[in-house]
Amino acid sequence: DQQVKQNSPSLSVQEGRISILNCDYTNSMFDYFLWYKKYPAEGPTFLISISSIKDKNEDGRFTVFLNKSAKHLSLHIVPSQPGDSAVYFCAAKKPGGSQGNLIFGKGTKLSVKP
Amino acid sequence: NAGVTQTPKFQVLKTGQSMTLQCAQDMNHNSMYWYRQDPGMGLRLIYYSASEGTTDKGEVPNGYNVSRLNKREFSLRLESAAPSQTSVYFCASSALGRANTEAFFGQGTRLTVV
Repeated sequence: DQQVKQNSPSLSVQEGRISILNCDYTNSMFDYFLWYKKYPAEGPTFLISISSIKDKNEDGRFTVFLNKSAKHLSLHIVPSQPGDSAVYFCAAKKPGGSQGNLIFGKGTKLSVKP
Repeated sequence: NAGVTQTPKFQVLKTGQSMTLQCAQDMNHNSMYWYRQDPGMGLRLIYYSASEGTTDKGEVPNGYNVSRLNKREFSLRLESAAPSQTSVYFCASSALGRANTEAFFGQGTRLTVV
């Protein structure tokens, strides 16, 4: 049973426009949510996170929104740039300090066209 | 500024052969992880080590063994490789004690079992 779902395998956006990547989860016990970005032939890199007690976290062009009642989070990239083209993984963490409790979604491939 | 280093980067094995994937981190992190990434499956945790001297099974541990050699090094061993173990393997590390601490990933090992 998939606890973290990214239902869109791919997304294509024009440069300068907004990219919205979505993620749904089923476990209300998750206490942190993270987004990772992955380029081909590289390991994933951390992008941004949000605590379950917040509903928004912003870092430059990247904003993550959390809707706990809907068990939904989204990553907004504004404005999108060609260098943002990558696979984005949503991850959710169960309570506890170790990231052995981290569960990843299947990823969404973002393509930003010039 | 090496971060997390994995060796080898590529490997082809015959069914039944054994091999060890090596991972080392220079960030003084307590926790280390092994993930596999398969097409359309996201990242799945194989084993993790919350701290030196401890190891725990993740989501997909069957067919693998691990050794936390010291604080820096965490190896993954395939005793008898199977075609189902064809995948990209990522090692990661994180600091312990911060609930939202992200993991830092290596560049991956692409393993093909024929």
